[in-house]
Amino acid sequence: EAGVTQFPSHSVIEKGQTVTLRCDPISGHDNLYWYRRVMGKEIKFLLHFVKESKQDESGMPNNRFLAERTGGTYSTLKVQPAELEDSGVYFCASSPYGSRTTDTQYFGPGTRLTVL
Amino acid sequence: RKEVEQDPGPFNVPEGATVAFNCTYSNSASQSFFWYRQDCRKEPKLLMSVYSSGNEDGRFTAQLNRASQYISLLIRDSKLSDSATYLCVVPPGGSWGKLQFGAGTQVVVTP
Repeated sequence: EAGVTQFPSHSVIEKGQTVTLRCDPISGHDNLYWYRRVMGKEIKFLLHFVKESKQDESGMPNNRFLAERTGGTYSTLKVQPAELEDSGVYFCASSPYGSRTTDTQYFGPGTRLTVL
Repeated sequence: RKEVEQDPGPFNVPEGATVAFNCTYSNSASQSFFWYRQDCRKEPKLLMSVYSSGNEDGRFTAQLNRASQYISLLIRDSKLSDSATYLCVVPPGGSWGKLQFGAGTQVVVTP
């Protein structure tokens, strides 16, 4: 079974540019999460999709970040315009449908974003 | 105060020895707890779940102390392959799906 995949693995852009990150969850997983690790800090939650709906977007830092999950399959996270502080590793995770917080989340390998 | 706090280490452990470290959490409503393992430049992977007082899986033992709000992880008979960063993860009580991570404890097992 394929795991969570993310594209690209690395992205280097200049401040002010736009970047779109993609996540393909494990097939059949309704829950999809985005997290971010900024250098030297802990991994922080960004948002949670259940199918195509945003369940919780309390971690989104500001309106320069836009996440979508059209059709409830893959998700994209767009940063526009990118700022220096957006640099970090963006992880995507997925889990099967469930109403418990205890469902195991499977993480993708992450996208390392560098904003110059 | 951070929601989840961990000693960053590193804990330098001779191969075959035992190492233990703690994680404290601030949200008393949290009901489930996890230890994830993260290798350098890799994604976090679930190591253990802790729902009641503790859990044991082979050489790994996790214990939960709700009164003092901490979780511990003990690794017995350490292997070189145990070298990694161990992330304490505590979903906030009442929140579905969101995970809160500690900054991680680095363990280095030496020959």
